[in-house]
Amino acid sequence: EAQVTQNPRYLITVTGKKLTVTCSQNMNHEYMSWYRQDPGLGLRQIYYSMNVEVTDKGDVPEGYKVSRKEKRNFPLILESPSPNQTSLYFCASSFWGGGTESYEQYFGPGTRLTVT
Amino acid sequence: RKEVEQDPGPFNVPEGATVAFNCTYSNSASQSFFWYRQDCRKEPKLLMSVYSSGNEDGRFTAQLNRASQYISLLIRDSKLSDSATYLCVVNAGTYKYIFGTGTRLKVLA
Repeated sequence: EAQVTQNPRYLITVTGKKLTVTCSQNMNHEYMSWYRQDPGLGLRQIYYSMNVEVTDKGDVPEGYKVSRKEKRNFPLILESPSPNQTSLYFCASSFWGGGTESYEQYFGPGTRLTVT
Repeated sequence: RKEVEQDPGPFNVPEGATVAFNCTYSNSASQSFFWYRQDCRKEPKLLMSVYSSGNEDGRFTAQLNRASQYISLLIRDSKLSDSATYLCVVNAGTYKYIFGTGTRLKVLA
């Protein structure tokens, strides 16, 4: 079954304690992305990756890191989480042909993070 | 001005009604457009891509108006199961997708 998986689904942590949210897709997609969703603000892009070892900042990258060492995985790292990073996080992937056309994104089930 | 704007609703409509949502975008270079559906805090799922000529999928019709920079979604014969938040997504041919904040639809029995 084609899918995007995220772990953990729920996480409560304390300020400053490093954490990683994993994301994996089995569709051989080139493009992967992380979003956070907050009430009234919609989904905002944190980082995206066009392929292995190629990543770039989205609209809200502060406080986050990513890496893309393998095509299927795109972990999101919070080196020193703060309460304003409490949010619902989604990972997504899609095919990317390299041109200007963009394609449907497939989303993971989400990770609900609370930082106290 | 937000890059992608939607009326947050909620739109409360009776079963069987026809309802339409609009979404405006500010970047005239935008090339790809999508409607996603999101159920309460679950992951967004693609409802339709929006093509220049307009497209239809069963009870759902999507239109693109480049001159006025908006896309629309029409739902005919609304079902209770259509209750959800509908997200408009725009891509300007770069690697960045811009999401609207969504329009809530409630279909009432």
